[in-house]
Amino acid sequence: AQTVTQSQPEMSVQEAETVTLSCTYDTSESNYYLFWYKQPPSRQMILVIRQEAYKQQNATENRFSVNFQKAAKSFSLKISDSQLGDTAMYFCAFMRETSGSRLTFGEGTQLTVNP
Amino acid sequence: DVKVTQSSRYLVKRTGEKVFLECVQDMDHENMFWYRQDPGLGLRLIYFSYDVKMKEKGDIPEGYSVSREKKERFSLILESASTNQTSMYLCASSPSDKLRTYEQYFGPGTRLTVT
Repeated sequence: AQTVTQSQPEMSVQEAETVTLSCTYDTSESNYYLFWYKQPPSRQMILVIRQEAYKQQNATENRFSVNFQKAAKSFSLKISDSQLGDTAMYFCAFMRETSGSRLTFGEGTQLTVNP
Repeated sequence: DVKVTQSSRYLVKRTGEKVFLECVQDMDHENMFWYRQDPGLGLRLIYFSYDVKMKEKGDIPEGYSVSREKKERFSLILESASTNQTSMYLCASSPSDKLRTYEQYFGPGTRLTVT
């Protein structure tokens, strides 16, 4: 069974600064996908960024980028130039390639961006 | 835009009642999911469905059942609600694996309180 661990229940950052959220996972699979989802207060969960395990290049989406370390089974999310709208709960998630889109989520990290 | 809707944002039920949570998606997605979200535990998969009338157990199916009679609708049923089922329930949908997008689209959630 796969497990996903987010060891930081809460984090805070000043507006315009950079913050990194940590995620580790455990799997014996070689082909899989990793995701970061964002859940703003009282709003729907949305996908932030996706990484395919077979790709060595780290994914980026505007101010969001990941540091994917396959050997270490680590998948951190870096948010640059933090904005007040980045305040949300962030979930790391894992998907086996053959799982039929089934996700395993971490515990979540509550990020607060302070003005 | 993909839209996933859930029948209620807030619901209060009594112990022993039968509870129906409804989810509807408008993007013709094959896959649909029910999760419960609890603080410190992240999202845990209850049931999922990859086609009409098909269902598979997730990680915590005990005390729940599901129904998918139409492609766009996926219902979660609590046969006899108990206080330990007080939680946030999230529905999600995704296209089939052959499109290889793997993104799940989430509804706004139903906060269920069982007293």
